[in-house]
Amino acid sequence: DAKTTQPTSMDCAEGRAANLPCNHSTISGNEYVYWYRQIHSQGPQYIIHGLKNNETNEMASLIITEDRKSSTLILPHATLRDTAVYYCIVRVAWGGSEKLVFGKGTKLTVNP
Amino acid sequence: DTGVSQDPRHKITKRGQNVTFRCDPISEHNRLYWYRQTLGQGPEFLTYFQNEAQLEKSRLLSDRFSAERPKGSFSTLEIQRTEQGDSAMYLCASSLGAGTEKNIQYFGAGTRLSVL
Repeated sequence: DAKTTQPTSMDCAEGRAANLPCNHSTISGNEYVYWYRQIHSQGPQYIIHGLKNNETNEMASLIITEDRKSSTLILPHATLRDTAVYYCIVRVAWGGSEKLVFGKGTKLTVNP
Repeated sequence: DTGVSQDPRHKITKRGQNVTFRCDPISEHNRLYWYRQTLGQGPEFLTYFQNEAQLEKSRLLSDRFSAERPKGSFSTLEIQRTEQGDSAMYLCASSLGAGTEKNIQYFGAGTRLSVL
């Protein structure tokens, strides 16, 4: 079973920031938080990952709470092409199982 | 385009037939993964290879399923005696290997299987 909890769906206006929450209250010290997204009929696309510090790349920012029990993925200026299902995944980066355990994710709809 | 190539993109078959899918990972990625995704669900892990060795298999991988990666490059996933419940998207991913930055899995576009 997935170790994360996400809202089923969210809406965002084009050009505004999209903030996608994820709860991972049982995360272990050696587990990272990964975010992927899946646009309809395509394979999942890696977005970002982090351990405890906030991370930013060209796609998004990841904010992890100090207790690491939750995180937020931020798309700073959402576009229509960001409409997708967003998955938050907790996983040991090395050692342990190699598999990614996907939940049902959050369906983000960016509206014009 | 992540560089992970899957073939075919779509496959329609009749119940009881055998099907084979191919995955070409990103060059120099020594890890290769197979997942299955049914409608409305997230992808589910099936199996993974490090080079040519199959190191982890899910209980979902019944004895009708077999995966190979004979030379540590491309991989094939075969389903024998297909059933309607096998209808799904089959996804392949690859990664460089151990370590945080190297172990990011990059996915292909998938093969959609429809069993009639």
